[in-house]
Amino acid sequence: DIQMTQSPTSVSASVGDRVTITCRASQGIGTWLAWYQQRPGKAPKLLIYAASTLQSGVSSRFSGSGSGTDFTLTISSLQPEDFATYYCQQANNFPITFGPGTKVDIK
Amino acid sequence: EVELVESGGGVVQSGGSLRLSCAGSGFTLGSYSFSWVRQAPGEGLEWISYIPSGSDEIFYADSVQGRFTISRDTADNSVYLQMNTLRVDDTATYYCTRGTVVHDATGQYLITDLAAFDLWGQGSLVTVSS
Repeated sequence: DIQMTQSPTSVSASVGDRVTITCRASQGIGTWLAWYQQRPGKAPKLLIYAASTLQSGVSSRFSGSGSGTDFTLTISSLQPEDFATYYCQQANNFPITFGPGTKVDIK
Repeated sequence: EVELVESGGGVVQSGGSLRLSCAGSGFTLGSYSFSWVRQAPGEGLEWISYIPSGSDEIFYADSVQGRFTISRDTADNSVYLQMNTLRVDDTATYYCTRGTVVHDATGQYLITDLAAFDLWGQGSLVTVSS
């Protein structure tokens, strides 16, 4: 199975900050990497797929990059509604696996 | 409105069974793959099962293989998860999810029906008691 790791585990930031979250796969997955945002008590929401493709309707302040084993999610200017937990997920092969999550909270 | 709505969750004793349903609306269910993803209380996300549009190649996580069965009914526009021999560690919120379809640049050829999970239901809580 492909193991996904994320760093940092949590980050404290202020509105307007630039935030970067890293995801690493235990083996190469090409660009089959997705990012999700989950607010407390809500279902996850797809932000980015295929490493860098912005899901329809998602703000352009979210961007993704990377290929192979190392990937990045960047929030260019943090907004109040962005305080949430973010998960990466590999879609290269089964079993589909998620990272453990990165919590973004208010500094 | 495009949405998925799960039902069938509840409290069941260890060793018991439960069937989750997922009704799709606002889109043609038959064109997509579906997966079930679960989240134990306070924990992360775990993919547990996948069914393609043709139901021909189904996959399960090792944690549920042999106990859970995914199925779909195009006429009902629904996806199901039959859960047998439930264990306490199956306690979680179960999400029905739709697979993200990616075609090649011409739009003619399907590259994958599972680039991500682009539509999620509201979640159905399953609690397994000892």
